[in-house]
Amino acid sequence: DAKTTQPTSMDCAEGRAANLPCNHSTISGNEYVYWYRQIHSQGPQYIIHGLKNNETNEMASLIITEDRKSSTLILPHATLRDTAVYYCINAGNNRKLIWGLGTSLAVNP
Amino acid sequence: GAGVSQSPRYKVAKRGQDVALRCDPISGHVSLFWYQQALGQGPEFLTYFQNEAQLDKSGLPSDRFFAERPEGSVSTLKIQRTQQEDSAVYLCASSSVLGTEAFFGQGTRLTVV
Repeated sequence: DAKTTQPTSMDCAEGRAANLPCNHSTISGNEYVYWYRQIHSQGPQYIIHGLKNNETNEMASLIITEDRKSSTLILPHATLRDTAVYYCINAGNNRKLIWGLGTSLAVNP
Repeated sequence: GAGVSQSPRYKVAKRGQDVALRCDPISGHVSLFWYQQALGQGPEFLTYFQNEAQLDKSGLPSDRFFAERPEGSVSTLKIQRTQQEDSAVYLCASSSVLGTEAFFGQGTRLTVV
């Protein structure tokens, strides 16, 4: 079973920031927080990962709480192409990722 | 190639037929993974290779499922005597080292009729 919980669905207006929450209260000290997304009929796409510090790359920012029990993925300026299912995963490495149902994000014009 | 390539993209098999699904990982990637994704669900881990060694096959649902990567590059997932519950998208991913991002192919959609 997945070790993370995410809202089933979210909406966001195009051009606004999308903030996707994830709870992972049982995360172990050596486990990373990975975020992937899956656009319809495509394979998953890596977005970002972090251990305990906040991370930023060209796609998104990852904010991890100090106790590491939750995190938020931020898409700063959502576009229609960001409509996808977003998965938050805890894992010590990428060897065996346990996926939940993710959050279905709809970006609306 | 530029990314992970899987073939065929779509496969329809009659129940009881054997199928073979191919994965071409990104050149030089040591790690290769297979996942199964049922409709409306997240991917589920099947098996993992490091070079030609199959280090984890704990997710293979039955002995009808077999995966190989004989030369540490291309991998094949074989399903014998397919059943309707095998209908799913089969995803392959590769990565250069553990702990970094995994690159996924577009998957093979298997439909067993």
